[in-house]
Amino acid sequence: DQQVKQNSPSLSVQEGRISILNCDYTNSMFDYFLWYKKYPAEGPTFLISISSIKDKNEDGRFTVFLNKSAKHLSLHIVPSQPGDSAVYFCANDMRFGAGTRLTVKP
Amino acid sequence: DVKVTQSSRYLVKRTGEKVFLECVQDMDHENMFWYRQDPGLGLRLIYFSYDVKMKEKGDIPEGYSVSREKKERFSLILESASTNQTSMYLCASSFRVSGDYNEQFFGPGTRLTVL
Repeated sequence: DQQVKQNSPSLSVQEGRISILNCDYTNSMFDYFLWYKKYPAEGPTFLISISSIKDKNEDGRFTVFLNKSAKHLSLHIVPSQPGDSAVYFCANDMRFGAGTRLTVKP
Repeated sequence: DVKVTQSSRYLVKRTGEKVFLECVQDMDHENMFWYRQDPGLGLRLIYFSYDVKMKEKGDIPEGYSVSREKKERFSLILESASTNQTSMYLCASSFRVSGDYNEQFFGPGTRLTVL
């Protein structure tokens, strides 16, 4: 049974610092993991992906790390900005985590 | 820009009513999905469709059905609405792509309240 878990419902960081959002999975049914970002009253939007054959993917301020042996991935945002405040979902194919609400304080 | 539209942003219905939630995408995507989003539970897959007239059950299909008569339109039907179906409903679409990541494009959501 494929499951994606985000065990931290919320995270608060200071502007300019690093935000680290975590995600664990049980069985990967799809070759890619994706991160989505969701603002209130909007649908989620794609942020960044990582292939299961890689351990890191970077796009500007956003970096995703994949540790296959631990079945764990993390999203790093450096430096964090107030506009990054949103709910972040980790996903593998059609399975999503519960989300982590990130608040970046000015 | 890819656009996924949902027929209503807010909907209030009574227990036992039949409810239709409509979703339309304009990017000729093969795949379409319906999710519900609840606090602490994230997005849970209700139904999805890989092609016209095709449908597959997701993780929580009970109490729901779907219809896909045209490629661009995917409807979610609550045959007899119940209070535990009060939720945010999100529609999404994507290309059918293998060997590469396959991002989904989401609509803005419908906040359904069943009284």
